[in-house]
Amino acid sequence: AQTVTQSQPEMSVQEAETVTLSCTYDTSENNYYLFWYKQPPSRQMILVIRQEAYKQQNATENRFSVNFQKAAKSFSLKISDSQLGDTAMYFCAFIIYGQNFVFGPGTRLSVLP
Amino acid sequence: DAGVTQSPTHLIKTRGQQVTLRCSPKSGHDTVSWYQQALGQGPQFIFQYYEEEERQRGNFPDRFSGHQFPNYSSELNVNALLLGDSALYLCASSSRKRNQPQHFGDGTRLSIL
Repeated sequence: AQTVTQSQPEMSVQEAETVTLSCTYDTSENNYYLFWYKQPPSRQMILVIRQEAYKQQNATENRFSVNFQKAAKSFSLKISDSQLGDTAMYFCAFIIYGQNFVFGPGTRLSVLP
Repeated sequence: DAGVTQSPTHLIKTRGQQVTLRCSPKSGHDTVSWYQQALGQGPQFIFQYYEEEERQRGNFPDRFSGHQFPNYSSELNVNALLLGDSALYLCASSSRKRNQPQHFGDGTRLSIL
């Protein structure tokens, strides 16, 4: 079975500091894509960052970066210089090409002023 | 360029009733996927439509059915509603030809009384 685990149901961070959200996944496939989505109270799923499993280089997107460890099936998200607008639910997900997303249960992140 | 649009935004039904949710994909997309997101959980895949046929299905009962129209828009139908069907229903669209992540709509919040 393909699963995604996010072991931190809730986290908080002070504004301007750095926080890391953890994610592990399980799949027997070799070619897949990993994602972090953000879902604020407005409920729209917003793509934060994406990583192709065949790429060894970790993806970065402005203040967001990932630590992708394929052998360990780990895909953590680091948010630098946290901003109040980063407050949201964060979902880790993977997708095998041609199939559909498998999402984790989410981590609720609160950025404190 | 309109993104994925879903209607209605919120719906209230009673047990045993039937409901139809609608989704228009992003321009240029031909594939529509539906997800159910219960409160406090990650989205769960329901099914995917391409070329007006159901191509993949998650672990949902036959009460959940769908349709895709020639203009690629899609409907999700749920019969004999149960209290447990209360959730946010997300539609996501993508293009079979392009290796791009799915784009999500804002969802329909379904409440069952």
